[in-house]
Amino acid sequence: QVQLQESGPGLVKPSETLSLTCAVSGYSISSGYNWGWFRQPPGKGLEWIGTMYHSGSPYYNPSLKSRVTISVDTSKNQFSLKLSSVTAADTAVYYCGRQFGSSSGWACDYWGQGTMVTVSS
Amino acid sequence: EIVLTQSPGTLSLSPGERATLSCRASQSVSSSYLTWYQQKPGQAPRLLIYGASNRATGIPDRFSGSGSGTDFTLTISRLEPEDFAVYYCQQYGSSPPSLTFGGGTKVEIK
Repeated sequence: QVQLQESGPGLVKPSETLSLTCAVSGYSISSGYNWGWFRQPPGKGLEWIGTMYHSGSPYYNPSLKSRVTISVDTSKNQFSLKLSSVTAADTAVYYCGRQFGSSSGWACDYWGQGTMVTVSS
Repeated sequence: EIVLTQSPGTLSLSPGERATLSCRASQSVSSSYLTWYQQKPGQAPRLLIYGASNRATGIPDRFSGSGSGTDFTLTISRLEPEDFAVYYCQQYGSSPPSLTFGGGTKVEIK
């Protein structure tokens, strides 16, 4: 059974960097699929942050591209998100997920349970 | 950038009724690239339909997806109590690769 688990600080100060990790169990990241990050501000809809293949270049939401870095650590079977210069607008539940290939529209079949990150001083 | 508009914003129905949810794209979208999710309060989204009409593993056959071009539909043939939730459509854009979501449709108990 594939499981994903996000971890990281629940509170980040404005202008600092948000860092989250997604630990994957039940499937080896290096075996395939794409791996992505999403977020959902309180009471609002879903937003894609970025996606990467285990051995390829990441793709980012253009609106966040200048502040986002996604990386994969196959030795630990996990991938990470860094979002710099955060503001209150970055307050959201952050989800990681496993995504199909492009031929299936990057549909996300497994999701983490989500972690709430609040940006506040 | 392709914009997805979901309608209605809220659908009030009774268990056993049929639900028809719309997702309209601002430009033509390949059917292969259209996805539907269900999300309940406090939970992560759940994949329902990918490639516009392919049910994900374990999804009951009362859920079906259809459409092409700019108009896509998610149909729930007979609403069960557990189907009351928010539904999102998602489209994949290939140049450059990206994802966008619709604003969601809430299906609530009438």
